[in-house]
Amino acid sequence: GAGVSQSPRYKVAKRGQDVALRCDPISGHVSLFWYQQALGQGPEFLTYFQNEAQLDKSGLPSDRFFAERPEGSVSTLKIQRTQQEDSAVYLCASSLSLATEQFFGPGTRLTVL
Amino acid sequence: GENVEQHPSTLSVQEGDSAVIKCTYSDSASNYFPWYKQELGKRPQLIIDIRSNVGEKKDQRIAVTLNKTAKHFSLHITETQPEDSAVYFCAAILRSTGNQFYFGTGTSLTVIP
Repeated sequence: GAGVSQSPRYKVAKRGQDVALRCDPISGHVSLFWYQQALGQGPEFLTYFQNEAQLDKSGLPSDRFFAERPEGSVSTLKIQRTQQEDSAVYLCASSLSLATEQFFGPGTRLTVL
Repeated sequence: GENVEQHPSTLSVQEGDSAVIKCTYSDSASNYFPWYKQELGKRPQLIIDIRSNVGEKKDQRIAVTLNKTAKHFSLHITETQPEDSAVYFCAAILRSTGNQFYFGTGTSLTVIP
């Protein structure tokens, strides 16, 4: 009965470093979303997976951002050559299907120095 | 973002009074509208959702109304309690150009005892 988990919970990176953020969705959930949440703002859509297929990546802010879900379960969001403006909380959410309740993970707080 | 606008950004009410938060959306093809509650430092959690084939849905003290013609939907909380204090986000699924979820910018609700 575990919910969505994310790791690490906190990540501090020096500008220019690459980071990888992991999301473990609820077992059996087909849909997986990544969001970026800046302080005091709502979650900003980054990308959406249906099983292993990345159906929408229109929200990824630049080609430095890359997401994958190779086996339709665990997903990884990778940010290359991190910049200070990448500092935010990255939230992962999963759901049974596209238009059903999304269950959010606790988020990864990324700080780029 | 601009696809979903939310008002007001802050709202203070006396305990026992009602609170109303309004959102408008741009995509007439949107068909799913959830509301999330996010307490400080915690993950967003769904409190109620509505689909485009109904105009109103109620769950105890919480209700959501949808006006498809005007493309707006509202959250109503009656008999507010201090534990209702949190940030509330509306969201809409953007269907016409893909499968993106757009969140509003949030309403910080404070219930004064």
